[in-house]
Amino acid sequence: ETGVTQTPRHLVMGMTNKKSLKCEQHLGHNAMYWYKQSAKKPLELMFVYSLEERVENNSVPSRFSPECPNSSHLFLHLHTLQPEDSALYLCASSQDRASGTYEQYFGPGTRLTVT
Amino acid sequence: TQLLEQSPQFLSIQEGENLTVYCNSSSVFSSLQWYRQEPGEGPVLLVTVVTGGEVKKLKRLTFQFGDARKDSSLHITAAQTGDTGLYLCAGRRNQFYFGTGTSLTVIP
Repeated sequence: ETGVTQTPRHLVMGMTNKKSLKCEQHLGHNAMYWYKQSAKKPLELMFVYSLEERVENNSVPSRFSPECPNSSHLFLHLHTLQPEDSALYLCASSQDRASGTYEQYFGPGTRLTVT
Repeated sequence: TQLLEQSPQFLSIQEGENLTVYCNSSSVFSSLQWYRQEPGEGPVLLVTVVTGGEVKKLKRLTFQFGDARKDSSLHITAAQTGDTGLYLCAGRRNQFYFGTGTSLTVIP
C-alpha cells in the first residue's frame, strides 16, 4: 500500500448506530487530519493530530470522536449522527506541521450516508 | 464569510480551449496549494506556491501566486478531457483554508 488509504469507502448508517472510519498513511508523515466535504461547501477541517497529539478541534460536535493510536493510523468514531452529517470524510497527512509548507496528501475518502 | 473565493464556480469548455481559474482572498497566506479532485476520490495535490509573484508550470498548467500572497490563478492551455474535475485552492495561515472549488468539464 502506498499513500493514504481509507476504509470503508462507503458507509450507510442509522442515527442510532456506532461506526468507525479508519485512515492509514504510508508516507512517514507526523501529522494527520480529518476533513468533512459537503456539497457546495468548502472542505471543513475537523481535527488535527501532530505526533499523535490532538492539536486542533474545530468546534466539532461530540458525536464525532477521533483517535490517533500512532503516527500512521487515525480513526473517526461516529455515534448518534444526524442526517446533516452525511458527507465525504477525508483523511490527510503531512510532514511536521511546523516545517515548511507541510503539503497535505489526501486519502480517497469515505462517503457517509446517515439515514 | 468565506476566506477564499474561487471563480468561476462552474466552467464547461471545448477540448483545446484555454481557461483560467481564480482564487482570491483579502487575507495573506504563507503558501497556497492547488488540488484536483475527481468524483468519489480525494483531492490530489498539483502544486504549492510560496513566494509572492511565483509562477510554476506543470505541463499545460500554469500557476501564479499574487505579489501580495492574497490570490492565485491557474491557467490551463489547450484543455483535454482528462483535465475534467474539481479544482481546489487552499491557503495556509495557521491552518489550511480551502476555497469552494471550480468544477471544470472539458467536452470532447
